[in-house]
Amino acid sequence: AQSVTQPDIHITVSEGASLELRCNYSYGATPYLFWYVQSPGQGLQLLLKYFSGDTLVQGIKGFEAEFKRSQSSFNLRKPSVHWSDAAEYFCAVGPGRGNEKLTFGTGTRLTIIP
Amino acid sequence: DAGVIQSPRHEVTEMGQEVTLRCKPISGHNSLFWYRQTMMRGLELLIYFNNNVPIDDSGMPEDRFSAKMPNASFSTLKIQPSEPRDSAVYFCASTLYNEQFFGPGTRLTVL
Repeated sequence: AQSVTQPDIHITVSEGASLELRCNYSYGATPYLFWYVQSPGQGLQLLLKYFSGDTLVQGIKGFEAEFKRSQSSFNLRKPSVHWSDAAEYFCAVGPGRGNEKLTFGTGTRLTIIP
Repeated sequence: DAGVIQSPRHEVTEMGQEVTLRCKPISGHNSLFWYRQTMMRGLELLIYFNNNVPIDDSGMPEDRFSAKMPNASFSTLKIQPSEPRDSAVYFCASTLYNEQFFGPGTRLTVL
């Protein structure tokens, strides 16, 4: 069965500091991986996705993620966070076909302090 | 493109009443997903449709919940009768290929 683990429920970082959010997955086939962001009161928005090729993928808002097959990880990073990055972040895994469901992690809430 | 449209955005109702949530997916998208989000249980997939056909409804909590997709541009999620434990934010998402586009959600409060 597929699963996604986000071990950090809540992370607090200072504005301008670097950020890394962890995501580990379990999937029986080649995983297709996603990171979504949810701002308060909003729906989820796709930050980036990995299907194949270069294991370092770039997304919107200056985010990037690295796929590491040996560690079953897909961690999200940003070199310098902005106050507007405060949100909930979800990692998800799926088969990559649009008509199949994704499995989401439980999310990591990011707080930014001045 | 207006994105995924959900209505109402907020719904407050009393226990025992029928609630209908509505979703208009992005034009041309052929899959639609209904999710529920709560603090306790996080984001849960309730049901999803491909080409208007329900594929997996294993996440529907019980018979009080039902979902329909009569055509490619409209879907409903109905709760009858509603209970306080149904209070949550309900999201609809549509997809054509790999990216799920989420609507803004409906915040349901059952008193």
